Amino acid sequence: EADIYQTPRYLVIGTGKKITLECSQTMGHDKMYWYQQDPGMELHLIHYSYGVNSTEKGDLSSESTVSRIRTEHFPLTLESARPSHTSQYLCASSPAMNTEAFFGQGTRLTVV
Amino acid sequence: SQQGEEDPQALSIQEGENATMNCSYKTSINNLQWYRQNSGRGLVHLILIRSNEREKHSGRLRVTLDTSKKSSSLLITASRAADTASYFCATAAQGGSEKLVFGKGMKLTVNP
Repeated sequence: EADIYQTPRYLVIGTGKKITLECSQTMGHDKMYWYQQDPGMELHLIHYSYGVNSTEKGDLSSESTVSRIRTEHFPLTLESARPSHTSQYLCASSPAMNTEAFFGQGTRLTVV
Repeated sequence: SQQGEEDPQALSIQEGENATMNCSYKTSINNLQWYRQNSGRGLVHLILIRSNEREKHSGRLRVTLDTSKKSSSLLITASRAADTASYFCATAAQGGSEKLVFGKGMKLTVNP
C-alpha cells in the first residue's frame, strides 16, 4: 500500500457548505495531483503541483482550489458545494516527472 | 479531451482465459502506464513502458507499445477472478509536462 492518505473517505454535505478534502503523503514526493472521477469511471485532472508553493489547474475546469504549503500536504477546497460537485476525488503523488503515481483511496463526495 | 482511450470498454471472460485491453493516445509521449482500480478504491500502478521500449513483462502482464500507431496493449494471461477490476492507461507527454493523463478505463470481469 502506498503511503498516501485521503480524508474523509465518504462525505455527505448540504449545498452551499465549504469543504476541504485532505490529502497527505509521507513519501516526500514533489509532484501531487487531484483527479475527479465520474461514475462512469473517466478520470479528469483538476489540479496538480510541482512542489511547495506551486499549483496548476488541470484539464478539467473546476471550482475547487488547492494549496501546497508543505511537501506532504495538498488539500482541495470547495468554497460553496453544489450537487454538480458530487463525485469521487482521487489524490495522487509521484517522486519525479515521468514516473509512476501513487494514489490515495479517494473521497466520495455527495452534495445534497 | 482525454489522451487515452481504452478498448473495449468492458470485457467479460472466464477464469484461465487471457484478457487483452487496448489503449490509443493522441500526442507524443515520454511513457505510457497501466493502472488497475478495484471498485470504490484508488488506482494501483501496474507497469510503465517508455517510448523507446516496444514490450515489457511483469508476472502475468505483458504490455506492448507501438508509437507509430500511438497505441498500447495490456495482456493479462491466465486470468483469475481476483483480476476483476477497471484498468486504465495513462500517458506522460513528451516535452516536460508534469501531467499524467488517463484514459476512460475498461472494466474487466473474470468469471470463476
